[in-house]
Amino acid sequence: NAGVTQTPKFQVLKTGQSMTLQCAQDMNHNSMYWYRQDPGMGLRLIYYSASEGTTDKGEVPNGYNVSRLNKREFSLRLESAAPSQTSVYFCASSRRAVSRTGELFFGEGSRLTVL
Amino acid sequence: GENVEQHPSTLSVQEGDSAVIKCTYSDSASNYFPWYKQELGKGPQLIIDIRSNVGEKKDQRIAVTLNKTAKHFSLHITETQPEDSAVYFCAASMPSYDKVIFGPGTSLSVIP
Repeated sequence: NAGVTQTPKFQVLKTGQSMTLQCAQDMNHNSMYWYRQDPGMGLRLIYYSASEGTTDKGEVPNGYNVSRLNKREFSLRLESAAPSQTSVYFCASSRRAVSRTGELFFGEGSRLTVL
Repeated sequence: GENVEQHPSTLSVQEGDSAVIKCTYSDSASNYFPWYKQELGKGPQLIIDIRSNVGEKKDQRIAVTLNKTAKHFSLHITETQPEDSAVYFCAASMPSYDKVIFGPGTSLSVIP
């Protein structure tokens, strides 16, 4: 049982380039999330999808777009990468709403560097 | 929106001692408070959580307390072991929206 799988694990981009981070979960979870982790700032929510077909902005959505492709997959796209987007990105999923004590299951992270 | 503060940012304890991490939240409507542990190179993992209708919850060597009036909650780890060394995140969630807001994290080092 793989859980939450993120690709790629590492990526280096130049300013202005675009890329997509892929996330897939095999736990039949309804909700999926993208977080970024920066030193001293914890985990900040970028976008989330409470269920298939819906997406909503989190705390730091600027510069990102998301697609909930189906129940399993939730991708994060950087259209024009900036050095401020250098970070570790985590995808997570939960079976039911986190507000109803739904546990978040995280992937292992994608480390992105923008030069 | 909700804001979660966490202290200390780093904590070193001797093996066998206790460790305490404290958090405060801003929105009184928050009703669910999970704690996550992140080991080096991995994603965070839930270790314990508490709901607003409960004041304390224990699971072996870890316990969480909640003071809703003061909007404080804390993680207590007793008899610490080297494998407890990790970054710990507190978080809060409100019933009105489906997202969890995390604190900035505490890096715990347990010295053998």
